[in-house]
Amino acid sequence: AQTVTQSQPEMSVQEAETVTLSCTYDTSESNYYLFWYKQPPSRQMILVIRQEAYKQQNATENRFSVNFQKAAKSFSLKISDSQLGDTAMYFCAFIFNIIQGAQKLVFGQGTRLTINP
Amino acid sequence: KAGVTQTPRYLIKTRGQQVTLSCSPISGHRSVSWYQQTPGQGLQFLFEYFSETQRNKGNFPGRFSGRQFSNSRSEMNVSTLELGDSALYLCASSPSGRDTSVNEQYFGPGTRLTVT
Repeated sequence: AQTVTQSQPEMSVQEAETVTLSCTYDTSESNYYLFWYKQPPSRQMILVIRQEAYKQQNATENRFSVNFQKAAKSFSLKISDSQLGDTAMYFCAFIFNIIQGAQKLVFGQGTRLTINP
Repeated sequence: KAGVTQTPRYLIKTRGQQVTLSCSPISGHRSVSWYQQTPGQGLQFLFEYFSETQRNKGNFPGRFSGRQFSNSRSEMNVSTLELGDSALYLCASSPSGRDTSVNEQYFGPGTRLTVT
């Protein structure tokens, strides 16, 4: 079974601090992709960052970066210089090709992140 | 490009009724996936359509069905509604294909369904 676990239901930090959200996953697949999605109170799901499993280099997108440890099946998200607008639910997810090209995102339960002024 | 659109945004139905939700993908995207989001179960995959064919299906009862049209727009239908079907239904589109760089899914704003 393909599963994603986010062990931190809630986190809270002060503005400008750095915060790391944890995610572990379980799969026997060798070809898959990992994502972090952000869902603010508006409920719009927004892609934050992605990582292809075959790439060893950790992905970065401005203030967002990941620490991808394939052997440990760990995929954490680091947010640097956090901003009030980063307040949201964050979901870790991965996708694997059941049939070539087929898409099925498997999500974790989410981490509710609050940035305090 | 315009994003993924979903209609209606909010819906209230009564137990036993049926409902149809609509999703228009980003122009050029051929894959449309549907997800159900509830506080208890989180985000769960319903099904995915590509080129008018259901390519993958989640673990939901047959009351949940969908289809995709030739312009890639998709609809999902829930028959004989139950209270537990109250949820946010999210649609996501993707370019899809064999290129590993095109497997990102872009989500619509969702349809909030309340069953009373």
